[in-house]
Amino acid sequence: AQSVSQHNHHVILSEAASLELGCNYSYGGTVNLFWYVQYPGQHLQLLLKYFSGDPLVKGIKGFEAEFIKSKFSFNLRKPSVQWSDTAEYFCAVNALGYGGSQGNLIFGKGTKLSVKP
Amino acid sequence: DAGVTQSPTHLIKTRGQQVTLRCSPKSGHDTVSWYQQALGQGPQFIFQYYEEEERQRGNFPDRFSGHQFPNYSSELNVNALLLGDSALYLCASSLGGMNYEQYFGPGTRLTVT
Repeated sequence: AQSVSQHNHHVILSEAASLELGCNYSYGGTVNLFWYVQYPGQHLQLLLKYFSGDPLVKGIKGFEAEFIKSKFSFNLRKPSVQWSDTAEYFCAVNALGYGGSQGNLIFGKGTKLSVKP
Repeated sequence: DAGVTQSPTHLIKTRGQQVTLRCSPKSGHDTVSWYQQALGQGPQFIFQYYEEEERQRGNFPDRFSGHQFPNYSSELNVNALLLGDSALYLCASSLGGMNYEQYFGPGTRLTVT
């Protein structure tokens, strides 16, 4: 079965620190990759996505992610976090063609980010 | 532009009962996917509806069933509720039957006692 691993369960940073959240997936074929964010009390929102092309993708609020195919990774980065970035972050993969997959996102367990002011 | 809406917000049911959750997709979207998010976990795919048919299904028992209406709204039905069905149920909509970008609703919190 396909799976997505997020390496950190809970990350605590001070404001202005740099952030990198790891995400690895287990599918050797073509993938669409996503990072979603869930702010406290809010619903899941798309942060950024990769379908094809430039492996470095930029999302909202200064976030970016790099797709490294050889490492099956799609790590999320931000140079300088703010208190308002406190949220839970989910990596998700759509494994195209797997079992006829056209619909399902496979999510990681999420990483909770706490930013201290 | 209305986003994805779900009803009800919260629901408390007893073991063995049946429940129906509802979802209206984002304006212009025709595909609805349902996910179950247990506490401390990422969402797990239940199934997806496109053109009023179940297009793909995750690893959930037949107690979980769904429906999509001509206006693209959708229902998730769960029969013979178990304590383990307690979770946040998320609806996501997208366009064209493909998974390229899914927009999520706020979810329905189901508690089974």
